[in-house]
Amino acid sequence: GAVVSQHPSWVICKSGTSVKIECRSLDFQATTMFWYRQFPKQSLMLMATSNEGSKATYEQGVEKDKFLINHASLTLSTLTVTSAHPEDSSFYICSPVGSALYYGYTFGSGTRLTVV
Amino acid sequence: DQQVKQNSPSLSVQEGRISILNCDYTNSMFDYFLWYKKYPAEGPTFLISISSIKDKNEDGRFTVFLNKSAKHLSLHIVPSQPGDSAVYFCAAEVYGNTGKLIFGQGTTLQVKP
Repeated sequence: GAVVSQHPSWVICKSGTSVKIECRSLDFQATTMFWYRQFPKQSLMLMATSNEGSKATYEQGVEKDKFLINHASLTLSTLTVTSAHPEDSSFYICSPVGSALYYGYTFGSGTRLTVV
Repeated sequence: DQQVKQNSPSLSVQEGRISILNCDYTNSMFDYFLWYKKYPAEGPTFLISISSIKDKNEDGRFTVFLNKSAKHLSLHIVPSQPGDSAVYFCAAEVYGNTGKLIFGQGTTLQVKP
């Protein structure tokens, strides 16, 4: 159980464009989705929390208009990096959480975003 | 402020010996702690966890110890294997079974054959 699929695994985009990252929970329903990012040689930092059907809440310092999160269903959440800049280059990881405690600790495989 | 700290950025041990990775935390409201193993460009893989009501949890070669009074936990790997070489993160769950984790900075473990 607790299979998570995250796509794409890596993406290179031009500065000013937008990139969408998908996270799917394949064998459970994710009522909550956490999005983390990791800069090189740093820790994983929580960016935002989304609950199915409602607006996401963002951690301090994370721009909600830049990082758009859609959690329209219990199996799919998307993170869109809008008007990407080189400083947005990072490793983005999702963590879906279902009603069962066990499902709170699984992560996607991550997406390496490079903005040139 | 860094609520979860891993003060050793790296650790090198010989195959077969014990690896001890340490983690300190500052928030007494954390009630669940986890260790993850991570390779570059991959998501973290769950290893072992411990509830704040326990002081030890063991799973095969992995044992986690929790000292609540010192706000300190450690991960013991014995015997260490070359395949254990990776970055290890400790994480603390915000109180209330939220699934929301605060991570330490990570410790890079190298196990030499």
